[in-house]
Amino acid sequence: DTAVSQTPKYLVTQMGNDKSIKCEQNLGHDTMYWYKQDSKKFLKIMFSYNNKELIINETVPNRFSPKSPDKAHLNLHINSLELGDSAVYFCASSQEGRGALYFGPGTRLTVL
Amino acid sequence: GENVEQHPSTLSVQEGDSAVIKCTYSDSASNYFPWYKQELGKRPQLIIDIRSNVGEKKDQRIAVTLNKTAKHFSLHITETQPEDSAVYFCAASVSSNTGKLIFGQGTTLQVKP
Repeated sequence: DTAVSQTPKYLVTQMGNDKSIKCEQNLGHDTMYWYKQDSKKFLKIMFSYNNKELIINETVPNRFSPKSPDKAHLNLHINSLELGDSAVYFCASSQEGRGALYFGPGTRLTVL
Repeated sequence: GENVEQHPSTLSVQEGDSAVIKCTYSDSASNYFPWYKQELGKRPQLIIDIRSNVGEKKDQRIAVTLNKTAKHFSLHITETQPEDSAVYFCAASVSSNTGKLIFGQGTTLQVKP
């Protein structure tokens, strides 16, 4: 009965590889987000989808491509991984794009 | 541009004392201000929030105050306990109404028993 879930929890990969992170929410929310938390704990928004439509696209390298097959799912695909991509990636959701964010457990990505 | 400044970056208190964390935001159209607690290795979790039509909100040992004129808001934790030790983040909504939140840099609170 987890509200926002992500897989995998840990991801260790080599530079240059392509990887995906999946997120699902069962809260019935219509807006989902990807946040990146760097080594200094700073939380920065990357993308947001509202009812499968991209509404926030921050200055993120185009190696990062989000996809929302339906309003309960938001995936993140990363091409040609670089060392600087190492971080914790959090998925989150909210209702009507306003109000409280509910975060997933995070995916710790380590690029070697 | 959109910015939220949070202070202090670290805070150490004795168990039972109070802790105060302060934030300043830049977007005068911000109208929603949540606070999140993140324990080590865990997800950020909402602990309290306030909207711009309210000046203060309290929930047991935690309270938040908002000064819209000065664009300041603060988190107050009374009777701190060791389990309050965590990183606390403030955030402010931005005027685009997309649900975008700008987070402060975080405050690491240590409560010594």
